[in-house]
Amino acid sequence: IQMTQSPSLLSASVGDRVTLSCKAGQNINNYLAWYQQKLGEAPKLLIYNANSLQTGIPSRFSGSGSGTDYTLTISSLQPEDVATYFCQQYNSWTTFGGGTKLELK
Amino acid sequence: QIQLVQSGPELKKPGESLKISCKASGYTFTDYAMQWVKQAPGKGLQYMGWINTQTGKPTYADDFKERFVFSLETSASTAYLQINNLKNEDTATYFCARGSSDYWGQGVMVTVSS
Repeated sequence: IQMTQSPSLLSASVGDRVTLSCKAGQNINNYLAWYQQKLGEAPKLLIYNANSLQTGIPSRFSGSGSGTDYTLTISSLQPEDVATYFCQQYNSWTTFGGGTKLELK
Repeated sequence: QIQLVQSGPELKKPGESLKISCKASGYTFTDYAMQWVKQAPGKGLQYMGWINTQTGKPTYADDFKERFVFSLETSASTAYLQINNLKNEDTATYFCARGSSDYWGQGVMVTVSS
């Protein structure tokens, strides 16, 4: 299943509400995870099953969506949120999206 | 605390083989599968497959069925990734991750160059 993330690069200011998009090639039944990867680090699981917040992740992160269209929202961007964000479907085998790089404006 | 600690960086020549380790601690090793993920320099994440830590049965993604071998040393709570007949395109960082994807190793940078 092809996963398409947009935009590939996003510039935003501290305090902004940020929305990242992930579109699946077919219905993935909410079997979607979001990861944050900072430079030189392993990916960190943020959201699973489309909208469940992983333990220990700040509540400013949230996930939503259904069918083929999913969104990761950061309610108030913090400097430490600068990273690349990947979505992953696990409805049929598993595939990752190409990533969205989030930088500070 | 739960940790996955991977072995150190590798520099290899084309045609050689290597074996990367991923040692788990802080949980019962056989309660979770172990996954492997490849990340080429500056690129995204590519799922390689997983190994059932109870049976030792590996499952490979299509791109990793030929030269790649997942194995276990259950008594040492350690999973291994072996890559045979290395190619330049194997240059990447390789991550192990617990089956629930909530814990990841720090990654092993593999460089293949003549």
